Amino acid sequence: GAVVSQHPSWVICKSGTSVKIECRSLDFQATTMFWYRQFPKQSLMLMATSNEGSKATYEQGVEKDKFLINHASLTLSTLTVTSAHPEDSSFYICSARDQTSKGRAYEQYFGPGTRLTVT
Amino acid sequence: LAKTTQPISMDSYEGQEVNITCSHNNIATNDYITWYQQFPSQGPRFIIQGYKTKVTNEVASLFIPADRKSSTLSLPRVSLSDTAVYYCLVGDKRGSTLGRLYFGRGTQLTVWP
Repeated sequence: GAVVSQHPSWVICKSGTSVKIECRSLDFQATTMFWYRQFPKQSLMLMATSNEGSKATYEQGVEKDKFLINHASLTLSTLTVTSAHPEDSSFYICSARDQTSKGRAYEQYFGPGTRLTVT
Repeated sequence: LAKTTQPISMDSYEGQEVNITCSHNNIATNDYITWYQQFPSQGPRFIIQGYKTKVTNEVASLFIPADRKSSTLSLPRVSLSDTAVYYCLVGDKRGSTLGRLYFGRGTQLTVWP
């Protein structure tokens, strides 16, 4: 149980185009999902918290107009990188929090990641 | 959130026990300690979580001293497949609905044959 999928697993796009990445919780419901970005040889950086039915909460320094997040259902959150540029090339990882978890600090399950390359 | 400090890298050989220590001097009373494992080009995977003393599961053990200012992840008899980055995280208040995770630099463990 507790599987999170991401689609696509990798994508190459041209500079100036937009790319949408999906994150799905396959066997549980997630009112909250998180999006991370990871550059080579670096740690994961939390970008934003995706809340089902409401606006996402972005971490300081993350442009909300560039990284559009939509969490339309309890099993799906999407991250759209708008007007992508080569510096947006990175590994994007989502995680989903099992909404039935209570009383514990962490009950998050991570997706396999999406490799974005902007040419 | 409490900041964590880990060694940047460690090396070991197959079959040995590996202990990775994490310092978290500013840990709050209600914080949990959690360890994740990440392989290249994959999302992190939960390994173990604890609050105090010792926790053991099928994968690892977690030792937490009484003052909770540090913790040690112990991997028994490592194999080549344990080569990965290991992250130590200290959590939000227990029961927090926020759930945000802030990863530090992690420890790159390399297991040699």
